[in-house]
Amino acid sequence: QLQLQESGPGLVKPSETLSLTCTVSGGSISSGSYYWGWLRQPPGKGLEWIGSNNYYNPSLKSRVTISVDTSKNQFSLKLSSVTAADTAVYYCARGGDGSGHFMGRLVNWGQGTLVTVSS
Amino acid sequence: EIVMTQSPATLSLSPGERATLSCRASQSVNSDYLSWYQQKPGQAPRLLIYGASNGATGIPARFSGSGSGTDFTLTIGSLQPEDFAVYYCQHDYNFVLTFGGGTKVEIK
Repeated sequence: QLQLQESGPGLVKPSETLSLTCTVSGGSISSGSYYWGWLRQPPGKGLEWIGSNNYYNPSLKSRVTISVDTSKNQFSLKLSSVTAADTAVYYCARGGDGSGHFMGRLVNWGQGTLVTVSS
Repeated sequence: EIVMTQSPATLSLSPGERATLSCRASQSVNSDYLSWYQQKPGQAPRLLIYGASNGATGIPARFSGSGSGTDFTLTIGSLQPEDFAVYYCQHDYNFVLTFGGGTKVEIK
């Protein structure tokens, strides 16, 4: 069974870059045509999609980079110039049906990791 | 940008009752790309319904989805104790994912 696990610093200073990694186990990140994405959820609030593969939330696009490392079976998120508004639980997730369709069909999720932006 | 609006924000019901959750899109959308998720406190969301009406793997039959165009509904046929949670609708339009604000189903 596919499992995803987020890792990275739990505390980031304002104006710095938030970097997270999602490690995939139980399957190859290269298998099939899936979308490897990131979402977040500020404390007590709803879900916000950050991006998947090369597709990004327009409101965050200028600050976000998602990259996939097939050799390590990992994908990563970089969010630059963070502020307190970027404090959230960050989730990684796999989307799609395996044939390159339905990016929003998010079946597999990591457990989430809280990232706090504070000096 | 498509905006997804869910109502009500909170639904107070008793176990065994039927729950009807609404999701409205700001413009007509392709129902093939409409999904519903359940989220319990401290947990990641779980896919319940995809393509507006298809149950995801392992999802009990009491969960059903319907709708088209701008109006979609998630129905929980008979609420079980484990169903009290927050539910989100989501749409994928031109490779941009948008979530509704969520409906909390709480015990009355």
